[in-house]
Amino acid sequence: GQNIDQPTEMTATEGAIVQINCTYQTSGFNGLFWYQQHAGEAPTFLSYNVLDGLEEKGRFSSFLSRSKGYSYLLLKELQMKDSASYLCAVVDSNYQLIWGAGTKLIIKP
Amino acid sequence: ETGVTQTPRHLVMGMTNKKSLKCEQHLGHNAMYWYKQSAKKPLELMFVYNFKEQTENNSVPSRFSPECPNSSHLFLHLHTLQPEDSALYLCASSPTLAGGPTDTQYFGPGTRLTVL
Repeated sequence: GQNIDQPTEMTATEGAIVQINCTYQTSGFNGLFWYQQHAGEAPTFLSYNVLDGLEEKGRFSSFLSRSKGYSYLLLKELQMKDSASYLCAVVDSNYQLIWGAGTKLIIKP
Repeated sequence: ETGVTQTPRHLVMGMTNKKSLKCEQHLGHNAMYWYKQSAKKPLELMFVYNFKEQTENNSVPSRFSPECPNSSHLFLHLHTLQPEDSALYLCASSPTLAGGPTDTQYFGPGTRLTVL
């Protein structure tokens, strides 16, 4: 079967750095998305990786290793507004999105 | 309005009721999706429409009935639901179904459904 694994919950301190990991086992791979979802709101697009390596976008970076079936989202200079769930999703060989259950990130002052 | 809108935002219904969820996208996209989001579970894809044609029905019970009258509107008709159907129902749209970076899915805020 297809599977996406993410930690259920993480806690970090304002101003610090946090890394949210995602491992996947899917039938084929055509890219990986990270979305942010604040409580009670719509998921919003953060990043897309299809080639190995690091994609940097301001305070957020996303890394992909296709050989290891692994990605991470790196959040720097954490702010209270970064408290949210972070969803990892993989595009499989049928171009369907396979979703992880999300990681709830709690930021403490 | 811009983006993807959904109405109602909250819905409480009994098991014998019939109700409909509405989704509208103002992005000019051709693909639309219904997802179910339950606490601590992955998003469950329910239905996919591409150019108004249904392309996916992921073994969804018949008490959920989708309708896509045009590329901008998507409905989910509900009847004789069960308490376990209580969840957040999200609508999304994307330019096409190709799945690449240009086909990022844009989500609506969802309808929080409670079945009593």
